[in-house]
Amino acid sequence: NAGVTQTPKFQVLKTGQSMTLQCAQDMNHEYMSWYRQDPGMGLRLIHYSVGAGITDQGEVPNGYNVSRSTTEDFPLRLLSAAPSQTSVYFCASSYRTLSYGYTFGSGTRLTVV
Amino acid sequence: SQQGEEDPQALSIQEGENATMNCSYKTSINNLQWYRQNSGRGLVHLILIRSNEREKHSGRLRVTLDTSKKSSSLLITASRAADTASYFCATDEDSNYQLIWGAGTKLIIKP
Repeated sequence: NAGVTQTPKFQVLKTGQSMTLQCAQDMNHEYMSWYRQDPGMGLRLIHYSVGAGITDQGEVPNGYNVSRSTTEDFPLRLLSAAPSQTSVYFCASSYRTLSYGYTFGSGTRLTVV
Repeated sequence: SQQGEEDPQALSIQEGENATMNCSYKTSINNLQWYRQNSGRGLVHLILIRSNEREKHSGRLRVTLDTSKKSSSLLITASRAADTASYFCATDEDSNYQLIWGAGTKLIIKP
């Protein structure tokens, strides 16, 4: 099925550990982005990409890295996990910039202890 | 920063009734989008309305946009239990690359 695939669905990390959240889309979308969702705070943009090789920071980029070597994949790396990074992470893609609706993945629920 | 602000924060109605949610924003926009999120799931795109449009329909959904009041409303007619979800609006806030999201309206449909 066409869409956005996120892995893993659940993850528990210890403080200081690093990990990569995977995101892949098969719709040939140019635009991809990572959000975190915390209770009562809506969605906050972490990083985004407007095409392969192009990434930029969103509202809350500290502690996260991204790369976009292919159109399909947009992994999010947590460099040194902190309890404040406990959240639900969503990857989303769009055909082109903001004039089209986003397709979201099912999310990764991350707990940092 | 959050641009879209939904109102009410929570809404509980009987099945079959209509549900109306509102979204307000602060600056000029090119388009406004509505999304639904079922508990524990990703967001699903419902409707995108452009700044030069006043109303759009999709099935039981009706979205209006009033740029003079910087507000939008989402009407769900003849609600069903499956409509129980959180609903979010998002705007582009004069940016080409970032959507700004509200905190959402939690809708509960009672059988």
